[in-house]
Amino acid sequence: DAGITQSPRHKVTETGTPVTLRCHQTENHRYMYWYRQDPGHGLRLIHYSYGVKDTDKGEVSDGYSVSRSKTEDFLLTLESATSSQTSVYFCAISALDRGTGNTIYFGEGSWLTVV
Amino acid sequence: AQSVTQLDSHVSVSEGTPVLLRCNYSSSYSPSLFWYVQHPNKGLQLLLKYTSAATLVKGINGFEAEFKKSETSFHLTKPSAHMSDAAEYFCVVSDYTSNTGKLIFGQGTTLQVKP
Repeated sequence: DAGITQSPRHKVTETGTPVTLRCHQTENHRYMYWYRQDPGHGLRLIHYSYGVKDTDKGEVSDGYSVSRSKTEDFLLTLESATSSQTSVYFCAISALDRGTGNTIYFGEGSWLTVV
Repeated sequence: AQSVTQLDSHVSVSEGTPVLLRCNYSSSYSPSLFWYVQHPNKGLQLLLKYTSAATLVKGINGFEAEFKKSETSFHLTKPSAHMSDAAEYFCVVSDYTSNTGKLIFGQGTTLQVKP
């Protein structure tokens, strides 16, 4: 357990509405990530953060924004949700494991349906 | 560019028989390689990790993987399948070109275990 909590775990929203997903970690890890998982595509990186207020885009960042005002929280926002953003969203952190270097650990996922 | 190819999208075995899930990678650097497992409607759990300390890596639940540089492979094996092993498995390489620890995922292999 890497101390990662995602909220909400399940959400149904309407097209055009804003949605924010929250990732909370308890162990002060520097790097945090948002991935989305879709059938046939595996997991794809949306955005990541390497510190407070330091973020960068991943491979599928269009339509998403992120914020990190505190070490422990990394927020993913869909400014105007579309049906193509129906997906499972995973937050992850990078933790330094003694002797083996960095390892990425995942949260339990947030299931988002845009209708 | 780094990439990962999982050679089988679906593998079916009988309970008690060996499991082999195949993964080939492409990397210009000495890679860090991972296997993650995902049970239905769950997050991703780390099975094992290769970081050049030893070519044969032992993971949780009796799984192991062997790093073969000459074949650019990192196949996952288990001597005897259990019903609880039914899940989706992801072979993953860490993207060190960006120095952020981002992950590059294979497409996944669904393991079916028949009684």
